Amino acid sequence: EVQLVQSGAEVKKPGESLRISCQTSGYSFTTYWIGWVRQTPGKGLEWVGIISPSDSNTKYSPSFQGLVIISVDKSISTAYLQWSSLEASDTAMYYCVKSASSSWYLGSDYWGQGTLVTVSA
Amino acid sequence: QTVVTQEPSLTVSPGGTVTLTCASSTGAVTSGYYPNWFQQKPGQAPRALIYSTSNKHSWTPARFSGSLLGGKAALTLSGVQPEDEADYYCLVYHGGGQGNWVFGGGTKLTVL
Repeated sequence: EVQLVQSGAEVKKPGESLRISCQTSGYSFTTYWIGWVRQTPGKGLEWVGIISPSDSNTKYSPSFQGLVIISVDKSISTAYLQWSSLEASDTAMYYCVKSASSSWYLGSDYWGQGTLVTVSA
Repeated sequence: QTVVTQEPSLTVSPGGTVTLTCASSTGAVTSGYYPNWFQQKPGQAPRALIYSTSNKHSWTPARFSGSLLGGKAALTLSGVQPEDEADYYCLVYHGGGQGNWVFGGGTKLTVL
């Protein structure tokens, strides 16, 4: 059974750093890409970026380029999304998603349960 | 900045048929945009329904189908069930070899 299990909710202050995780199981981790999606009440769903676990080739949405870093640890089949300096506008639910095939542009299939990130002074 | 537009809301009767559409500000949506469709119910993560225009996942009910219609991506629900009441989002790829995927604003489907 394919599973994407994300880390728990986080409450942070502006300027703090954060890394959230997405632990996967039930499939070959290095065969499929892992992406991240942000959801806020005001802006809806937004694509953050996607990474190939096999070689860490990463593609970021222009809106998130330079603001976040996506990485993986192949040894534990886990993907990460990290910030070096959070802002209040980063407050959102973040989902990890698995690509539907080895060709990342075709789309996604499985989603994690989401990690709520709250940034507030 | 690319904008993907969906109907904000639609209402359908149980057993009826409804088509949701997804348009891009860059022009006609083609198969090369690899449109995806997702369903989201309150308090839940989105669930994938369709990828690459018309391909269904193993869990996608047969009453859901994806297509291209009049320069837009389309999701058609035939024989709508009460449990189909949800928000539906499309996702289209705008090329360039980078992570240039753009979500639509979503359609709230009411079954009434």
